[in-house]
Amino acid sequence: DTEVTQTPKHLVMGMTNKKSLKCEQHMGHRAMYWYKQKAKKPPELMFVYSYEKLSINESVPSRFSPECPNSSLLNLHLHALQPEDSALYLCASSLQHLGGLAGGSSYNEQFFGPGTRLTVL
Amino acid sequence: GQNIDQPTEMTATEGAIVQINCTYQTSGFNGLFWYQQHAGEAPTFLSYNVLDGLEEKGRFSSFLSRSKGYSYLLLKELQMKDSASYLCAVRDKDDYKLSFGAGTTVTVRA
Repeated sequence: DTEVTQTPKHLVMGMTNKKSLKCEQHMGHRAMYWYKQKAKKPPELMFVYSYEKLSINESVPSRFSPECPNSSLLNLHLHALQPEDSALYLCASSLQHLGGLAGGSSYNEQFFGPGTRLTVL
Repeated sequence: GQNIDQPTEMTATEGAIVQINCTYQTSGFNGLFWYQQHAGEAPTFLSYNVLDGLEEKGRFSSFLSRSKGYSYLLLKELQMKDSASYLCAVRDKDDYKLSFGAGTTVTVRA
């Protein structure tokens, strides 16, 4: 299994709703990431989990709450979002959150899921 | 941090060659990635360079010059399915974060 899956594919929510985005991988990767991508813009890093622990939070507002229940799953809990939070939310995973591994045996590249298209009304 | 620059759009004919340039300024370098992203889909990994020189992978090649802060992605024998956005991404050597350029939209015409 060499893919990252994300659910739901599309999500429309109001500003008072609480919803969750889910991400799953079964490649044995120990690093998982959340990115936000606006139209015609590059992905922007939000969070990094390494060995199920939050290692990087890019000063993301608290209305976004990540969770890593185990090494295969990554959630993003959403609460009281704003319309400007509408975007494509991408999950990614890599072998580890490091540079290329010793001996060039791995680039440690990130594998991306198909994303969740979120619209906040 | 990283400052990554690549052209916004390029157009080429089916069967032709296109070269997408990427320049970067970085406080610490640990590799450069090229990703392909079709509209509404996830980025997919194309290539990785960490040492100077050319890496070839079928119709796609990527080049890196660390001293010049410069990379290019070369797409040969263009096909209609190559129409996509191509993202240059630099990994930081201290925190291993990926910073992406804004992407180059390539349109392949018949």
